[in-house]
Amino acid sequence: DAKTTQPTSMDCAEGRAANLPCNHSTISGNEYVYWYRQIHSQGPQYIIHGLKNNETNEMASLIITEDRKSSTLILPHATLRDTAVYYCIVRVAAAGNKLTFGGGTRVLVKP
Amino acid sequence: GAVVSQHPSRVICKSGTSVKIECRSLDFQATTMFWYRQFPKQSLMLMATSNEGSKATYEQGVEKDKFLINHASLTLSTLTVTSAHPEDSSFYICSAYSTSGVYEQYFGPGTRLTVT
Repeated sequence: DAKTTQPTSMDCAEGRAANLPCNHSTISGNEYVYWYRQIHSQGPQYIIHGLKNNETNEMASLIITEDRKSSTLILPHATLRDTAVYYCIVRVAAAGNKLTFGGGTRVLVKP
Repeated sequence: GAVVSQHPSRVICKSGTSVKIECRSLDFQATTMFWYRQFPKQSLMLMATSNEGSKATYEQGVEKDKFLINHASLTLSTLTVTSAHPEDSSFYICSAYSTSGVYEQYFGPGTRLTVT
């Protein structure tokens, strides 16, 4: 699986949009970008995934650059409950494929 | 989304004893489940891949005789920590992927193991 690079930490203001970047310059054509988050002392939570088109769901939006070498997860209106570690992972979407977690970005939403 | 449960949520055991952790997929069948371990302030580390009806595949450095994995049905995988020691104290998390989407994985809430 391709390696990803994320900032170690970031702060954002409650009610504002939070933009979380991820670099994956060695991504292969058949690798998807997945985002998960882990709130303290809980199991990771799936957020969103995409291949090359931008994606949106009830939790977030995922913007993937045209060359697919980077992406941005957008939390449109951050709340205090969005404080968590956010992980960007790229991998082939296939049965049995494991997820490899990097360090992630520790996001602190401040009132 | 798909739901994965774990039991117990936290357990304290004495050094030298064994403890079993259950992972269940509640609303879908999972032929493959994964077990992770997480130490404080660290990321998740994959321990093993659990395959229904066959032997688990362990990651390098994980002792298969110490961490016994059984995946006897399409909705249940168990991890047994044998002869536990204080250094086995950790947060253990399981996951399973749903085949309804693009193989996104769903995680259990985790089990906090403390060995005294």
